[in-house]
Amino acid sequence: DAKTTQPPSMDCAEGRAANLPCNHSTISGNEYVYWYRQIHSQGPQYIIHGLKNNETNEMASLIITEDRKSSTLILPHATLRDTAVYYCISNFGNEKLTFGTGTRLTIIP
Amino acid sequence: KAGVTQTPRYLIKTRGQQVTLSCSPISGHRSVSWYQQTPGQGLQFLFEYFSETQRNKGNFPGRFSGRQFSNSRSEMNVSTLELGDSALYLCASSWKAGVDTQYFGPGTRLTVL
Repeated sequence: DAKTTQPPSMDCAEGRAANLPCNHSTISGNEYVYWYRQIHSQGPQYIIHGLKNNETNEMASLIITEDRKSSTLILPHATLRDTAVYYCISNFGNEKLTFGTGTRLTIIP
Repeated sequence: KAGVTQTPRYLIKTRGQQVTLSCSPISGHRSVSWYQQTPGQGLQFLFEYFSETQRNKGNFPGRFSGRQFSNSRSEMNVSTLELGDSALYLCASSWKAGVDTQYFGPGTRLTVL
């Protein structure tokens, strides 16, 4: 099945950059990579998305490899409020985005 | 700009009852999608509505239905509730149908006893 692969959990020290990896080796050329995060029991929050080029917004940066088989979400200065489950997703030819199990990121004080 | 709102936020029902959940999208958004989130299955797509028409449906039984009104507000209904329907039901809106950046509401926590 086409899907993304993420580590189940990661820790990051407060104030440091959090780098969350994602493998999506089966993604097609015109399919975007989206990142969302979900803080406990809240609705998922959109972070960023990209196709080929690296992207940056006020929340994060997204680095996509040239072959598009993997990407990394970077939170430049992690705070305790960044503790959440982070989802790397795409639609993989379907009409809707498909969510996996994500990475549980814990920011350590 | 106001975000996606969902009502009610919490609901307790008993088996066999039915329930209706409501979602108001971000102003100007015409697509509304519904998701079910459980600890065991994660986030699963239920259906999408665009311009009052259901254009996409996930793998759920017919007990799950929805509709969208002319102002883009949407409701989903679950009939003959089962214990396994206990979940967080999330609504998301976007500008266009299909794959687009979706903005989620806070969800409705449904507990079936």
